[in-house]
Amino acid sequence: DIVLTQSPATLSLSPGERATLSCRASQNVGSYLAWYQQKPGQAPRLLIYDASTRATGIPARFSGSGSGTDFSLTISSLEPEDFAVYYCQQRSNWPLTFGGGTKVEIK
Amino acid sequence: QITLKESGPTLVKPTQTLTLTCTFSGFSLSTSGVGVGWIRQPPGKALEWLALIYWDDDKRYSPSLKSRLTITKDTSKNQVVLTMTNMDPVDTATYYCAHMEESGDNWFDPWGQGTLVTVSS
Repeated sequence: DIVLTQSPATLSLSPGERATLSCRASQNVGSYLAWYQQKPGQAPRLLIYDASTRATGIPARFSGSGSGTDFSLTISSLEPEDFAVYYCQQRSNWPLTFGGGTKVEIK
Repeated sequence: QITLKESGPTLVKPTQTLTLTCTFSGFSLSTSGVGVGWIRQPPGKALEWLALIYWDDDKRYSPSLKSRLTITKDTSKNQVVLTMTNMDPVDTATYYCAHMEESGDNWFDPWGQGTLVTVSS
């Protein structure tokens, strides 16, 4: 199985600051990586797919980059509604796997 | 607009079989490239993919749970059913179903609201 390791586990930032989240894959996944946002009590929402493509309706402050084994999700300027948990997921190989998540909390 | 909703028991006893139904609208599972997956999330923990069924009845399972899982579809009812045998307290989680489409982004999008299943005697 491909293991996705997300870091840091928790990111404490203030509104307006830039957030950079990391996802590292144990094997090459090409560009077959997505990012999801999950707020408390809600289902995950697709933010970024194919490593760098924003899903429909996702604000431009969210961007994804990377390929192979190292990926990043950047939120250029945190809005109050962006404080949530973020998960990466790969679909390069079966089984599909998710990372352990990064919580972005208000400092 | 695509919507999905999970339904099933909220409480099951250890060793029992769990049956969850995902009822969806806004797409057809008879359309080429479409799939529906199941993902679960124990309280306070990360997401775990369980199973996926495609329009052509191709089925994929998590290897660690494959012996306990069965996924089926009823295209006429717009439903996907997941059964999990021999339930254990560690299977306590919120269970989500989600849409996937090869002609679209080909990722889980959107998701149902989820249903919390507690395993306890």
